[in-house]
Amino acid sequence: EDQVTQSPEALRLQEGESSSLNCSYTVSGLRGLFWYRQDPGKGPEFLFTLYSAGEEKEKERLKATLTKKESFLHITAPKPEDSATYLCAGGSYGGSQGNLIFGKGTKLSVKP
Amino acid sequence: DSGVTQTPKHLITATGQRVTLRCSPRSGDLSVYWYQQSLDQGLQFLIQYYNGEERAKGNILERFSAQQFPDLHSELNLSSLELGDSALYFCASSKRGGANTDTQYFGPGTRLTVL
Repeated sequence: EDQVTQSPEALRLQEGESSSLNCSYTVSGLRGLFWYRQDPGKGPEFLFTLYSAGEEKEKERLKATLTKKESFLHITAPKPEDSATYLCAGGSYGGSQGNLIFGKGTKLSVKP
Repeated sequence: DSGVTQTPKHLITATGQRVTLRCSPRSGDLSVYWYQQSLDQGLQFLIQYYNGEERAKGNILERFSAQQFPDLHSELNLSSLELGDSALYFCASSKRGGANTDTQYFGPGTRLTVL
């Protein structure tokens, strides 16, 4: 069964303390790996799409990387406004679970 | 603002009732997706429509149905509601029909509470 697992479930950082969030996937024929940010009660906000192992993308303090088995979201010198839940999703060829399979997210808290 | 709109923002109803959630995709997007998000389950894919046709189905209950109209807006109908249907319902849209490759942009969601 296709699966996306995110770790840790929750992460508390001090402002300026860099870290990484992990997304491991067992998705047959992965077509795309997506990262979203979600604030409480809001819709997921698109961050990055990665299509092949070795690919990297950056946006402000965030950098996403992809290997054959996992993806990392690196957060450099985070600020309190980076506090949110970060969701990872794998695009598969389909099946009973649908074509985009989401992990349960990592809840990031950044303290000033 | 993703450009995807959903109405209503909040819906409170009783068990056994039927409700309709509405979604308008971003301009130019042909696919609409529906997701359910509850506290313990995370985001669960329900169904996808592409240019008016059903494209993919996820874990959608038989009590739930959806359609996409010629102007590409979509409606999700939930009937015989149960307490467990209380959740956030999101609509997303993408340019083409490839759910596994196209970036999906999410709306603000409808919070459904079943009492």
